[in-house]
Amino acid sequence: AQSVTQLDSHVSVSEGTPVLLRCNYSSSYSPSLFWYVQHPNKGLQLLLKYTSAATLVKGINGFEAEFKKSETSFHLTKPSAHMSDAAEYFCVVGLMGGDMRFGAGTRLTVKP
Amino acid sequence: ETGVTQTPRHLVMGMTNKKSLKCEQHLGHNAMYWYKQSAKKPLELMFVYSLEERVENNSVPSRFSPECPNSSHLFLHLHTLQPEDSALYLCASSLGRANTEAFFGQGTRLTVV
Repeated sequence: AQSVTQLDSHVSVSEGTPVLLRCNYSSSYSPSLFWYVQHPNKGLQLLLKYTSAATLVKGINGFEAEFKKSETSFHLTKPSAHMSDAAEYFCVVGLMGGDMRFGAGTRLTVKP
Repeated sequence: ETGVTQTPRHLVMGMTNKKSLKCEQHLGHNAMYWYKQSAKKPLELMFVYSLEERVENNSVPSRFSPECPNSSHLFLHLHTLQPEDSALYLCASSLGRANTEAFFGQGTRLTVV
């Protein structure tokens, strides 16, 4: 069965330092993978998606993620955190039928 | 703005009330979804409509009743809810159901008292 595991429920970084949000996936076929962000009291916004093209995917707001099949990982990174990056981040795998399975989420806190 | 609009943004209802949540998209998408987001739980897919036909119902209690009158509109009718149904209800749409990203509305924050 397809699933994702977000390895950290909470990550705290200082403004200007790198961000790493970890996600491992489980899939019996080449998956589609997504990262979404949710700011407080808002809906989810797509950050980036991987659909078996380039393994390094660039998204909005300076985020990127690398698909590593050997490690079954799809970690989200950003070189320098900004206060506005504080939010909940969800790693998502696309299912065979076209629907999506969400990870439990990682709350990112950015300290001044 | 994602192009998916949900109303109302906030709703407080008693356990004996009947209310409806509305979702609207004009993105030309063919699939629409209802998700439930509760504290400390992963997003739960409730209903999927594709080309206005319900294709999935993940064992949701009958006190939740979806309706999709056309490809642009989706409703979630609520009746005799329980306090544990309090959550953020998110609507989403996608072009199709095959590996395409979903666009989400801002959600309706529902509180059942």
